[in-house]
Amino acid sequence: EVQLLESGGGLVQPGGSLRLSCAASGFTFSSYAMSWVRQAPGKGLEWVSGISGSGGSTSYADSVKGRFTISRDNSKNALYVQMDSLRDDDTAVYYCARRYADTTRHFDYWGQGTLVTVSS
Amino acid sequence: EIVLTQSPGTLSLSPGERATLSCRASQSVSSSYLAWYQQKPGQAPRLLIYGTSSRATGIPDRFSGSGSGTDFTLTISRLEPEDFAVYYCQQYGSSPPYTFGQGTKLEIK
Repeated sequence: EVQLLESGGGLVQPGGSLRLSCAASGFTFSSYAMSWVRQAPGKGLEWVSGISGSGGSTSYADSVKGRFTISRDNSKNALYVQMDSLRDDDTAVYYCARRYADTTRHFDYWGQGTLVTVSS
Repeated sequence: EIVLTQSPGTLSLSPGERATLSCRASQSVSSSYLAWYQQKPGQAPRLLIYGTSSRATGIPDRFSGSGSGTDFTLTISRLEPEDFAVYYCQQYGSSPPYTFGQGTKLEIK
């Protein structure tokens, strides 16, 4: 059974940093691209960042480029996002999601999310 | 950036009725790269449809997807009580690679 479990969320002051983790199990982690998708309170879904299966290719939404860094450790079946220079509008539930095949590029499994609150 | 606009914003229907949800793209989207998700309060999104019309594993056949180019549709043939939720379309394209529609809330009338 595919499982994704996020951790690391919490309350942080504006300008602060936080590192989120996503523990994956039930599939060959290195074979799949992964992404972080966030949802601000009462709002819709926003793709944040993605990484290839090998970790050699990364991409970011303009809203987080230069502030967030996505990475993965395939030996630990773990996905990470380092979030620096956090702003109030980064407040959201952050989901990790598995990106299915290159032929369709949808997200077939999602974690339950971890809440990040940026506030003074 | 490809913008996805979903309509209506809120759809009020009764169990047993047919629901038709629309997703319109600002530029043409490959039919391979259009997906739909369902989200219930306090839960993560769940994949319903990928590649415009393929149902994900375990999704009942009352859910169907169609469309091409810039216009895509999610249809729920006969609403069950558990179908009332928020629905999002998603596409893969150029920068940013993934965008979502703003969502359609399907509520009980």
